[in-house]
Amino acid sequence: ETGVTQTPRHLVMGMTNKKSLKCEQHLGHNAMYWYKQSAKKPLELMFVYNFKEQTENNSVPSRFSPECPNSSHLFLHLHTLQPEDSALYLCASSQDSRAGANVLTFGAGSRLTVL
Amino acid sequence: DQQVKQNSPSLSVQEGRISILNCDYTNSMFDYFLWYKKYPAEGPTFLISISSIKDKNEDGRFTVFLNKSAKHLSLHIVPSQPGDSAVYFCAASDSYNAGNMLTFGGGTRLMVKP
Repeated sequence: ETGVTQTPRHLVMGMTNKKSLKCEQHLGHNAMYWYKQSAKKPLELMFVYNFKEQTENNSVPSRFSPECPNSSHLFLHLHTLQPEDSALYLCASSQDSRAGANVLTFGAGSRLTVL
Repeated sequence: DQQVKQNSPSLSVQEGRISILNCDYTNSMFDYFLWYKKYPAEGPTFLISISSIKDKNEDGRFTVFLNKSAKHLSLHIVPSQPGDSAVYFCAASDSYNAGNMLTFGGGTRLMVKP
């Protein structure tokens, strides 16, 4: 496997369910990101981890809970979501989130539908 | 308030002609700009970038122009090919203060007709 891999690619869940999105990068990067892409809206940064430490939480509701056990893996735990949380969730990685002019490499995304 | 805007949601161009995609920004602290391309069912992939110390960067058929005074950048694709049909996102960062925190525009869907 190369690049950034996200699973599952598609997820349908009820508002009372608990599920998790997984991201894995094979690039040797130290920073990992969660972005949200809703219909007709720009990509929104949700969380940033740099060397396993959370460095950014962009006012995300607590029903989204990130976890970064090591620099290669990132999770987004979901619970009691709302239908408006339905979106494409994109994971990305880069060498170091503090360093400017670094390119982010994105995964293919997890398409989430909340019923 | 959106700091990065792509005012054209879609653009249609004939194969072989030039495609020009535009992006405007409001934050004068932005000093690094990128273009990403996204095909359906795939994540965005990096295309080309430009630092604020330059006003032009070229890579093959792709050229990005930066007009700092107007807070405007554009991506030129010459000649356009059907395989270029995708959604194009511009992104910007304040690399000094915010490192890799990218702010994205809403995207422009480019359709290149054979």
